[in-house]
Amino acid sequence: AQSVTQLDSQVPVFEEAPVELRCNYSSSVSVYLFWYVQYPNQGLQLLLKYLSGSTLVKGINGFEAEFNKSQTSFHLRKPSVHISDTAEYFCAVSDNLPGNQFYFGTGTSLTVIP
Amino acid sequence: DAGVTQSPTHLIKTRGQQVTLRCSPKSGHDTVSWYQQALGQGPQFIFQYYEEEERQRGNFPDRFSGHQFPNYSSELNVNALLLGDSALYLCASSLGFTSSTDTQYFGPGTRLTVL
Repeated sequence: AQSVTQLDSQVPVFEEAPVELRCNYSSSVSVYLFWYVQYPNQGLQLLLKYLSGSTLVKGINGFEAEFNKSQTSFHLRKPSVHISDTAEYFCAVSDNLPGNQFYFGTGTSLTVIP
Repeated sequence: DAGVTQSPTHLIKTRGQQVTLRCSPKSGHDTVSWYQQALGQGPQFIFQYYEEEERQRGNFPDRFSGHQFPNYSSELNVNALLLGDSALYLCASSLGFTSSTDTQYFGPGTRLTVL
């Protein structure tokens, strides 16, 4: 079975500073990796995904993530955050089997400080 | 192009009651998955429907059941509600059960409170 660990439950960062949200996974099979963002009282919105190919993946809102197979990590980064980036971020993994069940981490709450 | 929609937005029930939540998938999608998101936690997979059949199930008791209709919409039913069932219930849709690379698109969720 797959599992996802988000190492930081809360990350405060000043506006325009860079940020990294960490995600590690464990799996016995090949996986696909995703980052979702959840704004207050809303559902999940896809930020980016890694399926194959280049290990550096660019997503919406200036976010990017790098897949590191040897370290089983998929950390999310943004070079300069905005107030509007304040939200909950979830890392998810799915296996490469039919009916891709998603396994989510417990989330990282990003707070951007003016 | 309508995204995933869910109804109702909020729901309050008492212990022992039964509840039905509804989901309409994104246009063109035929696979629906349900997740439970407890406060402060990540979503947990309940089950997935494709071609009107339950295809996968997470670690949830039989009190949780579902249905998928010919138009691909879906219902989640929970019987004998417990206080611990209070959560945000998310519906996600994707295209094609056999294609594991499909992204799941999530609805805004239904907030269930059990008193």
